[in-house]
Amino acid sequence: EIVMTQSPATLSVSPGERATLSCRASQSVSSSLAWYQQKPGQAPRLLIYGVSTRATGIPARFSGSGSGTEFTLTISSLQSEDFAVYFCQQYDSWPPSITFGQGTRLEIK
Amino acid sequence: QVQLVESGGGVVQPGRSLRLSCAASGFTFSTYAMHWVRQAPGKGLEWVAVISDDGSDKFYADSVKGRFSISRDSFKNTLYLQMNSLRPEDTAVYYCARERAAAGGELDYWGQGTLVTVSS
Repeated sequence: EIVMTQSPATLSVSPGERATLSCRASQSVSSSLAWYQQKPGQAPRLLIYGVSTRATGIPARFSGSGSGTEFTLTISSLQSEDFAVYFCQQYDSWPPSITFGQGTRLEIK
Repeated sequence: QVQLVESGGGVVQPGRSLRLSCAASGFTFSTYAMHWVRQAPGKGLEWVAVISDDGSDKFYADSVKGRFSISRDSFKNTLYLQMNSLRPEDTAVYYCARERAAAGGELDYWGQGTLVTVSS
């Protein structure tokens, strides 16, 4: 099973600044890497898939990058609504399975 | 618009069974693979199971294999999760989610979740 490790566990950033969240896979996941945002009491929301493609309706300040085992989610200029928990996710095509990282909590500094 | 609405959660004793449902609308249900994902209180996300668009293929996380069963009814546009031999560690919010594209693996729409509590 591929293990996804996110860092840091908590990130404190001021509004308007840039946030960089990391995700590392225990082995190469090719381009099967997605990012989700979750706010308290809500379901996760898909932000990025295929490493760097923004999902429908996601603002351009969200971007994804990386390859192989190292991936990054960057939020270029933090808005108040961006403070939430972020999860990365990889997908094995066969047999099909999904693994999530443990999450990074993005909090207001 | 795409909607997924889970139901069937509640409090159940260890060893008992529960069936969750997820009513889908706003898209052609029969053309999408569907997943169940759970989240224990205050914890991260754990994938549970996936079923192919036509229901012919089903896969499970090791933690639920042999105890849970995923199914779908394309006439009713409904996804199910039959949970047997429940354990306290199965306590979680259970979400159904749609797989965005065939073999893509990303989940583009999620329900609001239904809470399952396994406790004596």
